[in-house]
Amino acid sequence: DIQMTQSPSSLSASVGDRVTITCRASQSISSYLNWYQQKPGKAPKLLISAASSLQSGVPSRFSGSGSGTDFTLTISSLQPEDFATYYCQQSYSTPPTFGQGTRLEIK
Amino acid sequence: QLQLQESGPGLVKPSETLSLTCTVSGGSISSNSYYWGWIRQPPGKGLEWIGNIYYSGSTYYNPSLKSRVTMSVDTSKIQFSLQLSSVTAADTAVYYCAAFFSNTWSSYFDSWGQGTLVTVSS
Repeated sequence: DIQMTQSPSSLSASVGDRVTITCRASQSISSYLNWYQQKPGKAPKLLISAASSLQSGVPSRFSGSGSGTDFTLTISSLQPEDFATYYCQQSYSTPPTFGQGTRLEIK
Repeated sequence: QLQLQESGPGLVKPSETLSLTCTVSGGSISSNSYYWGWIRQPPGKGLEWIGNIYYSGSTYYNPSLKSRVTMSVDTSKIQFSLQLSSVTAADTAVYYCAAFFSNTWSSYFDSWGQGTLVTVSS
């Protein structure tokens, strides 16, 4: 199985901050990397697919980049509704695997 | 926009079989672009893929659970189902059904059910 490692595991930030979350794969996954946002008690929501393709309806302050083994999710200016847990997920090979999550908290 | 809804018992006894059903609306379960999947999340922990099924009945299971998992699809009822046998407390989790879009360039879970908590306890 491909292991996905996110850093940091948790992060405190303020409204308006620029935030970057990193995801590293245990082997090359090309651009088969997705990002999800999960709020407490809710299902995950797809934000970005194929490393950098923003899903319809997702604010443009979210962006993704990377290929191979190293990927980033960037939120350019944090809004109150962005405080949540973020997961990366590889779809290069079966089984699809998720990172352990990054909890983004209000400072 | 696809909508998915899980249903099934919220409490299962140890050693018994967990059974859940997901009902799909807003799209065709026979779409050739989608697989239908189950993902679980133990309380306070991360996400674990259980398996996917195609409308034809082809299945893909997580090797870590393969010996205990059975998935099926009923296109006439627009439903797909999960059975997990010989459950233990470690199987206590929120279980999500999800639509897994797949093409040559990308694949991802783009629609999710709300999730259902299944507790394994006597």
